[in-house]
Amino acid sequence: KNEVEQSPQNLTAQEGEFITINCSYSVGISALHWLQQHPGGGIVSLFMLSSGKKKHGRLIATINIQEKHSSLHITASHPRDSAVYICAVRRASKETSGSRLTFGEGTQLTVNP
Amino acid sequence: NAGVMQNPRHLVRRRGQEARLRCSPMKGHSHVYWYRQLPEEGLKFMVYLQKENIIDESGMPKERFSAEFPKEGPSILRIQQVVRGDSAAYFCASSIGYDYGYTFGSGTRLTVV
Repeated sequence: KNEVEQSPQNLTAQEGEFITINCSYSVGISALHWLQQHPGGGIVSLFMLSSGKKKHGRLIATINIQEKHSSLHITASHPRDSAVYICAVRRASKETSGSRLTFGEGTQLTVNP
Repeated sequence: NAGVMQNPRHLVRRRGQEARLRCSPMKGHSHVYWYRQLPEEGLKFMVYLQKENIIDESGMPKERFSAEFPKEGPSILRIQQVVRGDSAAYFCASSIGYDYGYTFGSGTRLTVV
């Protein structure tokens, strides 16, 4: 079982819909990241969370440390939001392994006009 | 601030040749991470470096792969005697420190023919 699990793997939505992508993890963490990757492109860091909720434009990320769960929400989705969204965690340790990220497999989001 | 610069963006090598991938971190960032994304797979950690030091190389294959981050100049990921299975996207990320977010580069897409 992967340490970081995302659902769904694939998601198709109509423009304007509210979208939720979920991430569950099985290890103690110090931070959780949400990343965006466009086809053939680089990776953009959307959020880094250690508790609570963050909002940036139409994107909202929440985390529940006790339940080891995070969600990424997109309000009023748009075709340009089509991308792979990746959840990644940093372990709760300042030992060497605590510095790197462990990634989920990603959620392919397609927003149709 | 040009962000994390990786070059080349695309690299084609014949089997048995050497590949050198470069990563210039953001200004002021002294922590560099290399990640690999194999086709149809998620991102996997390879190595974590600080200036002139390898902190964690537990994700690096034991043979043919090496990384450095000299006092002056970019971080280099070097793959000797490349094989078809090395074909992947290689991403570099940098950070100002342990408790801070990451900035990713656009990646180098290595194709071994």
